[in-house]
Amino acid sequence: EDQVTQSPEALRLQEGESSSLNCSYTVSGLRGLFWYRQDPGKGPEFLFTLYSAGEEKEKERLKATLTKKESFLHITAPKPEDSATYLCAVHTSSGTYKYIFGTGTRLKVLA
Amino acid sequence: DGGITQSPKYLFRKEGQNVTLSCEQNLNHDAMYWYRQDPGQGLRLIYYSQIVNDFQKGDIAEGYSVSREKKESFPLTVTSAQKNPTAFYLCASRPHGADTQYFGPGTRLTVL
Repeated sequence: EDQVTQSPEALRLQEGESSSLNCSYTVSGLRGLFWYRQDPGKGPEFLFTLYSAGEEKEKERLKATLTKKESFLHITAPKPEDSATYLCAVHTSSGTYKYIFGTGTRLKVLA
Repeated sequence: DGGITQSPKYLFRKEGQNVTLSCEQNLNHDAMYWYRQDPGQGLRLIYYSQIVNDFQKGDIAEGYSVSREKKESFPLTVTSAQKNPTAFYLCASRPHGADTQYFGPGTRLTVL
C-alpha cells in the first residue's frame, strides 16, 4: 500500500537552531515528491518539487533533499516566521490523480 | 494577478442542508481537485477533474458532488448525505503536463 509518513509530528526549535524534518514514503512508483508550508487556517503554499534520488533544492533557509526512500527538509538558522506546518506529498505512478499526503510536521520556532 | 480563489472563507450549515463551495482559478490550469483536511490526517481527495465536463471520484466522494462546466471553475456541493461534513476544504489546480499542485486559501465548513 502506498504510504507517506512524516516525522516528527511536532518540533520546537530556538531561533537559529538548525534541524531537519523527515518524509518517508513507500509507493509503487514515484512521479514526484512535494513540500508545502501551511499556516493556520490557510491553504498549503508550494515550496519544492523533487523528482529523483540525489536531487536537492534550496529556497532561503530551506533545503529539500531526496533519496529512494525518504526526503528531508533541512531548516538552517530558523526564524520565528518559519513557524508553520510542513506537508509532504508524493505523486505516484499508480494513477494520474494519485497524490498521497503525509500528516505534516508542526514547527514552532521560538525567539 | 493569477491565482486560485475559494469562497466563502467560512461557511455554516444546518443539518439537512446542501451547501456549495466555490473554487475559481485564472491560471489556465487543466486539472482541478477538491481535498478535505481534518486534524491529524493527511489531505484526502474528494473529486478531481482533468478537463472540462469530466470529473472522477476520489477516495471519499460519498455525500459530495461537483461540476466542471468551465475550465476556471470547479464548485463542490456538500449534500445532506455527508455524515460528518465539518472540515477544512481545499481546492487545488495543476497545469497540463506538470506534476505540482497549487492550492487555494480554503473554506472552513461548520455544521451547526
